[in-house]
Formats: sequence, structure tokens, C-alpha cells
Amino acid sequence: DAGITQSPRHKVTETGTPVTLRCHQTENHRYMYWYRQDPGHGLRLIHYSYGVKDTDKGEVSDGYSVSRSKTEDFLLTLESATSSQTSVYFCAISEEGSMNTEAFFGQGTRLTVV
Amino acid sequence: AQTVTQSQPEMSVQEAETVTLSCTYDTSENNYYLFWYKQPPSRQMILVIRQEAYKQQNATENRFSVNFQKAAKSFSLKISDSQLGDTAMYFCGQEGGSEKLVFGKGTKLTVNP
Repeated sequence: DAGITQSPRHKVTETGTPVTLRCHQTENHRYMYWYRQDPGHGLRLIHYSYGVKDTDKGEVSDGYSVSRSKTEDFLLTLESATSSQTSVYFCAISEEGSMNTEAFFGQGTRLTVV
Repeated sequence: AQTVTQSQPEMSVQEAETVTLSCTYDTSENNYYLFWYKQPPSRQMILVIRQEAYKQQNATENRFSVNFQKAAKSFSLKISDSQLGDTAMYFCGQEGGSEKLVFGKGTKLTVNP
């Protein structure tokens, strides 16, 4: 199994509080992604990173920020959580361009904003 | 714009029969990768099959095969001899060049005994 870990796995937080989700990899892959999964919407890209300190927005980036200060860690922050951000969040890593290009996913974080 | 469309929110099939899941995409890249991922109730994302756009031959992995039509930007997944363990959400994804990895909304497949 690819070395990718998300923490925490579950979190309940109150509206208006800041929340940070962590994605940690041991594969030294260049690309890291944060998605949210909601019924009827599939996997929607929030932010992604193509290197240390190199990040870009996805289709649903409003209300989220990210940081990648080292190759192995990609942090997703909800500055002020809202109920609409209740979701399951997935981190993924990939090394595009290699012969066996494949994205590996973390186990997901279920976030509930009350 | 980079998009992936799965037009079948839900599908069902009888055990041992064949089912085809549809996927279309749009990209401005000439070389890219296409994927089908399976997500069982455990929520784990599992790669089913991968296709590189510059390869004309359709990818196959045991009971899973694709029909890749590059000109039509179509990438359908065929599951032969369906098994109960194939019950899952299936996501079609695309990435390549300057484009990030994006997915469709998914197809929920149920295999009935």
C-alpha cells in the first residue's frame, strides 16, 4: 500500500471555528490533492500542489486554504468552518508522467460542522 | 475547460452478466491519462484500470476493459462476469500535462444475486 495518511479520520467542529486537516505521504510524490466527496457531486477538487510551496485552486476552493512547506505534508485549512463544509475529505498523491501513473488516496476524513 | 462527465448516476446488473459504465471528458491536452477508480462501502479508493491517451490499444485488467475513443473523448468501462464484490461507486478521472486530476460525479453500481 502507498504511504499516505490523513489525520484526523473523524472530526466534529462548531461553525466559525478553524479546522486543519493533514495529509502525510512517504512516497516522495510531486503532486498532492485535496478533494471533497458529497452525494450527487462525486469527487470535487479543492486545491492541489505540484511541489513545495506550489499550489493552485480547484473548482471548489472558496473557504479553503492550503500549505505545503515540505514534500511530505499537505495541509487543508478551513479558516471559519460552515455547515456547507460538512463532507468527506480525501487526499491523493500522484507522480504524473511515470510509466505507472496512478493516484493513491488516503482513507478519508469525515468532517461534521455543527 | 477540463471536465469529466458520467451520465449514469446509478446502474444495476445481475451477477455473471456484463455491464458498461460511460464516461466522456474534455481536455485541451494531447497526451493525458484516464482512470477508473472503484470505491466500495469501505470508502477506500481503488484503481481499477488506467489508459494512456497516446496508446491506441484499449487497456484490460482481467474482467475489466475499456473502450477508449480518443476522437470522441469517450472512455467507457466494461465489467464482464460481474461479481457481488463489484458493487461500488465507480469514478472516471483524467489528468495530463498542465491539467490536474479531476473526476466525474460517479456511477453507483449494484450487482444483484
